[in-house]
Amino acid sequence: GAGVSQSPRYKVAKRGQDVALRCDPISGHVSPFWYQQALGQGPEFLTYFQNEAQLDKSGLPSDRFFAERPEGSVSTLKIQRTQQEDSAVYLCASSLPRDEQFFGPGTRLTVL
Amino acid sequence: AQRVTQPEKLLSVFKGAPVELKCNYSYSGSPELFWYVQYSRQRLQLLLRHISRESIKGFTADLNKGETSFHLKKPFAQEEDSAMYYCALFIKAAGNKLTFGGGTRVLVKP
Repeated sequence: GAGVSQSPRYKVAKRGQDVALRCDPISGHVSPFWYQQALGQGPEFLTYFQNEAQLDKSGLPSDRFFAERPEGSVSTLKIQRTQQEDSAVYLCASSLPRDEQFFGPGTRLTVL
Repeated sequence: AQRVTQPEKLLSVFKGAPVELKCNYSYSGSPELFWYVQYSRQRLQLLLRHISRESIKGFTADLNKGETSFHLKKPFAQEEDSAMYYCALFIKAAGNKLTFGGGTRVLVKP
């Protein structure tokens, strides 16, 4: 079947604008993860869900970031009042419990 | 807190030469270590994990708990090995998240 999909693939936002990034996990996977990858660095954990429950949000950098998964499938990462330092590639991964994480193509966010 | 260090940002080797990517981690318990690879214009994908003790695409990696290292090796590099490589640490007690190193770009020259 299809792998993890993310949309949009590219997003340009003006500073102060709100953005929403979408992740469609692999069908049947209960755990979507979000990572942030700044230019020239490795991915850094933001948050993850198991089913609808957000079990760990320790990596979210500020209260402008929040994630949701209201219906247990699609997950959305929202960033309010974007800042230039939010520019990065946002990766979504999905897995079965305690199993390999499969990554999506990422959304490249550029904040002007 | 756990940390993963990949000291080399770039490794450039000739085709057929050996290549070794260094990875060191900080964690005193029993971690699980992974190597992920990202080829040009492709998504991040798992290359190998230490618990499998297998060779994938000619690559091997041995976990050395004494030196807290998980170096990736291939005796004869191929041009198709050119990619970004990330070492990652998974600790069950710390939830399900992966902690990644900064990555090493491998360039295999013909």
